[in-house]
Amino acid sequence: EVQLVESGGGLVQPGRSLKLSCAASGFTFSNYYMAWVRQAPKKGLEWVATISTSGSRTYYPDSVKGRFTISRDNAKSSLYLQMNSLKSEDTATYYCARSYGSFFDYWGQGVMVTVSS
Amino acid sequence: IQLTQSPSLLSASVGDRVTLSCKGSQNINNYLAWYQQKLGEAPKLLIYKTNSLQTGIPSRFSGSGSGTDYTLTISSLHSEDLATYYCYQYNNGWTFGGGTKLELK
Repeated sequence: EVQLVESGGGLVQPGRSLKLSCAASGFTFSNYYMAWVRQAPKKGLEWVATISTSGSRTYYPDSVKGRFTISRDNAKSSLYLQMNSLKSEDTATYYCARSYGSFFDYWGQGVMVTVSS
Repeated sequence: IQLTQSPSLLSASVGDRVTLSCKGSQNINNYLAWYQQKLGEAPKLLIYKTNSLQTGIPSRFSGSGSGTDYTLTISSLHSEDLATYYCYQYNNGWTFGGGTKLELK
């Protein structure tokens, strides 16, 4: 059974940093692109970052480019999202998702990040 | 590519045939998926590549479309189908639509 479990969320002040983690199990992690998708409170879904199987290629929308960094450790079947220079508009539930042919077929339960002073 | 979903809110009764629309600002080339999100839960993949049903999803869900216009149809609405539905394109970048909330009439 595919499982994705996020951790690392919480309350952080504007301008500070936070690192999210996602532990994957139930599939061969190194064979799949992985991604982060977020959802602001009572809002829609927004793709945040995607990483290739080896980690050599990463992709971001303009809203987070230069501030967020996606990475992975295939030996640990883990995905990460380093978030720097956080803004109030980054407040959201962050989902880890498995990418299959560029769509997301499995999602974690999500982790909440609140950016506030 | 921007995606516009309509309507944003849809009221329907159990047993109704329901149609949700998603329109792209450019040709999506059938690289269109649909997700269902129930309150407090993670999104769930229903349909990918316009009309391919994800494993385990009931056959009352179906997708169609081409070019810029796509549709998700629920042939006979069940109470457990009440949720928000998002379309998603992966032809050029990765973009979600704004969602259609499906509620009971």
